[in-house]
Amino acid sequence: AQSVTQLGSHVSVSEGALVLLRCNYSSSVPPYLFWYVQYPNQGLQLLLKYTSAATLVKGINGFEAEFKKSETSFHLTKPSAHMSDAAEYFCAVRAISGGGADGLTFGKGTHLIIQP
Amino acid sequence: EPEVTQTPSHQVTQMGQEVILRCVPISNHLYFYWYRQILGQKVEFLVSFYNNEISEKSEIFDDQFSVERPDGSNFTLKIRSTKLEDSAMYFCASSVETGTEAFFGQGTRLTVV
Repeated sequence: AQSVTQLGSHVSVSEGALVLLRCNYSSSVPPYLFWYVQYPNQGLQLLLKYTSAATLVKGINGFEAEFKKSETSFHLTKPSAHMSDAAEYFCAVRAISGGGADGLTFGKGTHLIIQP
Repeated sequence: EPEVTQTPSHQVTQMGQEVILRCVPISNHLYFYWYRQILGQKVEFLVSFYNNEISEKSEIFDDQFSVERPDGSNFTLKIRSTKLEDSAMYFCASSVETGTEAFFGQGTRLTVV
């Protein structure tokens, strides 16, 4: 079984400041990890994914995340926030198991607020 | 760019009625999923579907739910007798392989009154 914990339901940063959204996971087997973004009244868009290759993963819109096995973390960062980054961000995990179309387990989400 | 499409975008139904939510996954994808998001809560996995059968389902996916791929393009979620607590945004997703990223549709907002 797997689970995801996102610390902070709301994070507020100033435009141009560093964005850090925290995600910790629990999985009994090696995981695939994902970050999705949801803009108001829209679906989920993939930002980036970790699938056991490089531990530092770069995604779209300047976001990146680092897989740290020792800390069971996959925090999302962006060096400089932009007003258009305001959205809901979801961390998700999928256990790497043999075969089957296993579903994703999502965290509760973090609402990112950008202050002008 | 290929995308997952869902219809309708919003559906209102009376408690006890049956609803069918429709999805057209990306054409070369083999794995299909339904998720739901109750307002203000996290996205929850309902069911996955591969090779014309359910691959995995969550405890939420009880006997009132069913999925079907009636033809080569559509993937449907049926709720047999809707309850107030079924009100949520329902997302369809598809992926080309197991373990790869899932592409999500825009969702269908279901309101049960």
